[in-house]
Amino acid sequence: QKEVEQNSGPLSVPEGAIASLNCTYSDRGSQSFFWYRQYSGKSPELIMSIYSNGDKEDGRFTAQLNKASQYVSLLIRDSQPSDSATYLCAVNPPGGSYIPTFGRGTSLIVHP
Amino acid sequence: DADVTQTPRNRITKTGKRIMLECSQTKGHDRMYWYRQDPGLGLRLIYYSFDVKDINKGEISDGYSVSRQAQAKFSLSLESAIPNQTALYFCATSDLAEQGALNFGPGTRLLVL
Repeated sequence: QKEVEQNSGPLSVPEGAIASLNCTYSDRGSQSFFWYRQYSGKSPELIMSIYSNGDKEDGRFTAQLNKASQYVSLLIRDSQPSDSATYLCAVNPPGGSYIPTFGRGTSLIVHP
Repeated sequence: DADVTQTPRNRITKTGKRIMLECSQTKGHDRMYWYRQDPGLGLRLIYYSFDVKDINKGEISDGYSVSRQAQAKFSLSLESAIPNQTALYFCATSDLAEQGALNFGPGTRLLVL
């Protein structure tokens, strides 16, 4: 059973702080990794993808991947109230089918 | 215009009724998916299709069927709706070149009474 685990939260951070969201996965051969943001009542929106070990930065967002430890994280710098949402981690299994397994999401609250 | 559209956006139906949820896309992607989302359970895959002639069951396909009418259209049917099918349903597309990064439609909120 492929599993993707996230702490459901809520994670509460003050405005301007760094929010750190974590995700672990069980399938060691997993190939590609994604972070989606989902506002309440809306559809998930892709914000980051990462395929190799290390960091990938895009604006205020940094994705970090460590395949040896089987975790992927998302850092949000200078957090804003508009970042308040649920963040979904998705992991593609090995084999090239590219059918992602989703974690249940972490709720982030950024308070002024 | 949105790349992935879903109709209807909201639907209330009664137990035992047959309903169809429709999805259309203008992204030109070959791959299309249907997910349902329930509070606390995350996104679960119902069916997926890699091209017009390819249909595959996901982890929770019982009680559902799909039709891929064209590259751009993928519909989900509930043959005989039951209350535990009350959920938020999302259609999504992807391009193989993007290794499974999904583009979601706006969702259909379904209530089965």
